[in-house]
Amino acid sequence: NAGVTQTPKFQVLKTGQSMTLQCAQDMNHEYMSWYRQDPGMGLRLIHYSVGAGITDQGEVPNGYNVSRSTTEDFPLRLLSAAPSQTSVYFCASIPPTGTGGLFEAFFGQGTRLTVV
Amino acid sequence: KQEVTQIPAALSVPEGENLVLNCSFTDSAIYNLQWFRQDPGKGLTSLLLIQSSQREQTSGRLNASLDKSSGRSTLYIAASQPGDSATYLCAVSSGTYKYIFGTGTRLKVLA
Repeated sequence: NAGVTQTPKFQVLKTGQSMTLQCAQDMNHEYMSWYRQDPGMGLRLIHYSVGAGITDQGEVPNGYNVSRSTTEDFPLRLLSAAPSQTSVYFCASIPPTGTGGLFEAFFGQGTRLTVV
Repeated sequence: KQEVTQIPAALSVPEGENLVLNCSFTDSAIYNLQWFRQDPGKGLTSLLLIQSSQREQTSGRLNASLDKSSGRSTLYIAASQPGDSATYLCAVSSGTYKYIFGTGTRLKVLA
């Protein structure tokens, strides 16, 4: 089991460029989510998905798109990067509710994004 | 709206001390609370998860307690070591798959 895998680990973008942050999990988890971590603000939820084909917005969704075509993958797309999107991005997954309903979250190692 | 606060924001202690990290939350209707460790430039490692029906969980030198009625959790670290130096985050879930995070306590254990 690789757990939750994020790529790339580091990325520098110019303002206005687009890119996709990849997230994959091999634990057959239903729920996946994206958070961003900024200094002094903790982790904030961007988008989440409760299963393939189902996504919804979190606390800070503006400027980001997501899709969930498979259980394993949950990519995060930046449509037109802005300096305010400079952050560390974390992907998380949670097991299906049938597994005791613990809602224990498993996190990837993060992607450090700088927009110049 | 659920808010999670962690105090202190930073803590520096000599090796061997027992220490307590605090986490408070405003809405007691939680499903569980999870403590994480984050090393500089790294991801989040889950330490302990406490369900709302539980009072505490233990793992090695770590003990986490939960008092839902007062909106508080504590993470107790016994006999601290330099390797415990990291940022500790707590997060609460209302059972809707969404976690609300505190801003963390940055711990430094001096040799």
